[in-house]
Amino acid sequence: KQEVTQIPAALSVPEGENLVLNCSFTDSAIYNLQWFRQDPGKGLTSLLLIQSSQREQTSGRLNASLDKSSGRSTLYIAASQPGDSATYLCAWGNYGGATNKLIFGTGTLLAVQP
Amino acid sequence: DAGVTQSPTHLIKTRGQQVTLRCSPKSGHDTVSWYQQALGQGPQFIFQYYEEEERQRGNFPDRFSGHQFPNYSSELNVNALLLGDSALYLCASSGVTGQGVDGYTFGSGTRLTVV
Repeated sequence: KQEVTQIPAALSVPEGENLVLNCSFTDSAIYNLQWFRQDPGKGLTSLLLIQSSQREQTSGRLNASLDKSSGRSTLYIAASQPGDSATYLCAWGNYGGATNKLIFGTGTLLAVQP
Repeated sequence: DAGVTQSPTHLIKTRGQQVTLRCSPKSGHDTVSWYQQALGQGPQFIFQYYEEEERQRGNFPDRFSGHQFPNYSSELNVNALLLGDSALYLCASSGVTGQGVDGYTFGSGTRLTVV
């Protein structure tokens, strides 16, 4: 059974810091790994999708990497801003196959202090 | 390009009642999935619809049922509501576009409160 774990559960940093959020999964038969952002009481906003054949994706100040051998993904946020404050969720998923669903971690609650 | 649209945004129901939530997928997506998110938890997979059929189901009782229409929109129905059904219900659409696999796109969710 696939399990997804996110560390740390919560993080508070001063504005301008670079930070790393971690995501680990137990089933190394990785298909795709997607990172989401969730503001309080809101839906999920997709940040980055790393397909199984890829090792990383970048969008602006965000960079996500995937290491299938170790069962880990990291989300790197450069030069953090107060507007980055949210819960960040990673999700393992198979898109189009027999197990076509996402399995989520419990998230990392990020607070960026001005 | 419209994303995933869910309605209603908030709903309050009484224990034992029935509820229907609605979802319109992102343009170009043909697959709709439903997730339940309890407070402080990650979303949990309920089921997925493709070609108007339930293709996959998570660990949820039969009180949870759904439907997909020919235009790919979907409904989630919950019967005999329990207090524990109070949660944020998220709809996600996915598909394969001309650029290949398109990641899941989520709606803003429906906040269901059972009293």
